[in-house]
Amino acid sequence: SQTIHQWPATLVQPVGSPLSLECTVEGTSNPNLYWYRQAAGRGLQLLFYSVGIGQISSEVPQNLSASRPQDRQFILSSKKLLLSDSGFYLCAWSLRDHEQYFGPGTRLTVT
Amino acid sequence: AQTVTQSQPEMSVQEAETVTLSCTYDTSESDYYLFWYKQPPSRQMILVIRQEAYKQQNATENRFSVNFQKAAKSFSLKISDSQLGDAAMYFCAYTGTYKYIFGTGTRLKVLA
Repeated sequence: SQTIHQWPATLVQPVGSPLSLECTVEGTSNPNLYWYRQAAGRGLQLLFYSVGIGQISSEVPQNLSASRPQDRQFILSSKKLLLSDSGFYLCAWSLRDHEQYFGPGTRLTVT
Repeated sequence: AQTVTQSQPEMSVQEAETVTLSCTYDTSESDYYLFWYKQPPSRQMILVIRQEAYKQQNATENRFSVNFQKAAKSFSLKISDSQLGDAAMYFCAYTGTYKYIFGTGTRLKVLA
């Protein structure tokens, strides 16, 4: 069966520090991968998606970047965090046109 | 561009009763998929039900069923025999290709 891992679960970082959130998927090949951000009590904002290794599409111009160094690994990064980067970050995978499966999420607080 | 609208920010239902959550969408595509996701306080997103647009039959999963009206671009979720564990945020979602579009969510409260 397929599983998706995200880490860390929680993170507190000062403004201006770098960020690296990692997501890995097991049990499937060539998945589409996604990063979302969710503000408290709000909907999901799509940040990046990837349909293959090295292929990244950005949905929102911002302080963040994404990379896909391996088929089932998706990384969200920032060189310098802003206060507005605080939120709940969700990684998800899907096969084309099928339902998405989500990781447990990372709660990021920028102080 | 595709959009998904959930017009009910919050709904309440008595335990064991039935509740319907509304969702409308806009698209010019003919082939697409629609989903309902549940997000409990743990914030883990859980798939509740999916509907393929080419299927006329409404999807059903145990106590959860949808009313899919393709011409009206409406996709409502009916929860029967509501349970305390159904209390959560519910998100309607659409996909036609790689991108998934989510609604803003409906918070469901279940009253004992």
